[in-house]
Amino acid sequence: DIQMTQSPSSLSAFVGERVTISCRASQNIDSYLNWYQQTSGKAPKLLIYGASSLVDGVPSRFSGSGSGTDFTLTISSLQPEDFATYYCQQSHKMMGFTFGQGTKLEI
Amino acid sequence: EVQLVESGGGLMQPGGSLRLSCEVSGFTVSRSYMNWVRQTPGRGLEWVSIIYSTGNTYYADTVKGRFTISRDNYKNILYLDMFNLRADDTALYYCARYCSTSECYGSFDYWGQGTLVTVSS
Repeated sequence: DIQMTQSPSSLSAFVGERVTISCRASQNIDSYLNWYQQTSGKAPKLLIYGASSLVDGVPSRFSGSGSGTDFTLTISSLQPEDFATYYCQQSHKMMGFTFGQGTKLEI
Repeated sequence: EVQLVESGGGLMQPGGSLRLSCEVSGFTVSRSYMNWVRQTPGRGLEWVSIIYSTGNTYYADTVKGRFTISRDNYKNILYLDMFNLRADDTALYYCARYCSTSECYGSFDYWGQGTLVTVSS
């Protein structure tokens, strides 16, 4: 299986701050990298697909970059509603989708 | 409006069986690639199974031979039949649609709210 490693596992930040979350794949996944946001008690919500494409309706303060094995999710100016857990997911191998362990973003 | 609603979770004894359902509205299950994904505090999000629009099915190694994914094309419902349940199957189970157009890069664009399965004696 392709292993996905996120860092950091948790992050404390302030409203208005710029934050970056990293995700590394154990092998080349091209741009088959997706980011999800999960708030407490809710299902994961797709934010970014194909490493850098923003889902319709997701604020432009969210952005994604990278290809191959190294990827980044950036939130340019944190808002109160952004405090959540973020997961990366590789979809390069269809019969073995894997997720990162998550990054909990806290105030 | 797209909605996925899971049901069927509960408390089961090890070795027991359970059927999870995912009622879908807003798109056609039989024309979609549908997944089950589970989540635990310890293991995070774990992909379980997928059924293609063709009917082909695939499973994670941890559930292969014990779980069966299927669908009812008339009722527009996705199922997960779980047999020989183990304690480590305890999780919140989500159904999720795989976005199959090339532009989506295989992302999971719609998710249900989850149903909790607890396996314990």
